Amino acid sequence: AQSVAQPEDQVNVAEGNPLTVKCTYSVSGNPYLFWYVQYPNRGLQFLLKYITGDNLVKGSYGFEAEFNKSQTSFHLKKPSALVSDSALYFCAVRPFNAGGTSYGKLTFGQGTILTVHP
Amino acid sequence: SAVISQKPSRDICQRGTSLTIQCQVDSQVTMMFWYRQQPGQSLTLIATANQGSEATYESGFVIDKFPISRPNLTFSTLTVSNMSPEDSSIYLCSVGGTGGFTEAFFGQGTRLTVV
Repeated sequence: AQSVAQPEDQVNVAEGNPLTVKCTYSVSGNPYLFWYVQYPNRGLQFLLKYITGDNLVKGSYGFEAEFNKSQTSFHLKKPSALVSDSALYFCAVRPFNAGGTSYGKLTFGQGTILTVHP
Repeated sequence: SAVISQKPSRDICQRGTSLTIQCQVDSQVTMMFWYRQQPGQSLTLIATANQGSEATYESGFVIDKFPISRPNLTFSTLTVSNMSPEDSSIYLCSVGGTGGFTEAFFGQGTRLTVV
């Protein structure tokens, strides 16, 4: 069974500073990894994904994430935080089975509340 | 990408009653997924709805409590039956993660409060 851990319930940063939201995972085989953001009273919005290839992936709104296979991590980063980035962030994983068929099920981390202070 | 519309966006219901949540997608998809997000919690998959077959439920979720319909490739409903306050959650419909989409897309969710 797969699992995702987001070790920080909350992350606080000052506007203009870099931010990191941490995520580690456990899954059999090669994972598909995702970051989603949830603003109040809204559904989940897709930010970025890692499927294969370069370990550094870039996504929406200036976010990027680095896949580290040896550390089984997929930390979300942004060089310069904005107040408008304040939201709830979820890391998710979907296993890629040996036969090459993707499962449509996502396992989510518990979420990290990001607060960016002016 | 896929655009997903969920109705209602929120509701307040009496315990013991049932609520049916609708999910409409702007394209045909094989699988649709229903998630629950309890207050302050992460998302948990309730079931996978395939068109033309019965839904597949995750551990801890049963058809009698969460019956699902999937009449065609663009629509699904989730019913929360015999509700109790513990059912107060956000329920989200999702598509993708299979086939041509490698990421999942979500509806805006239905915020349910049971009193």
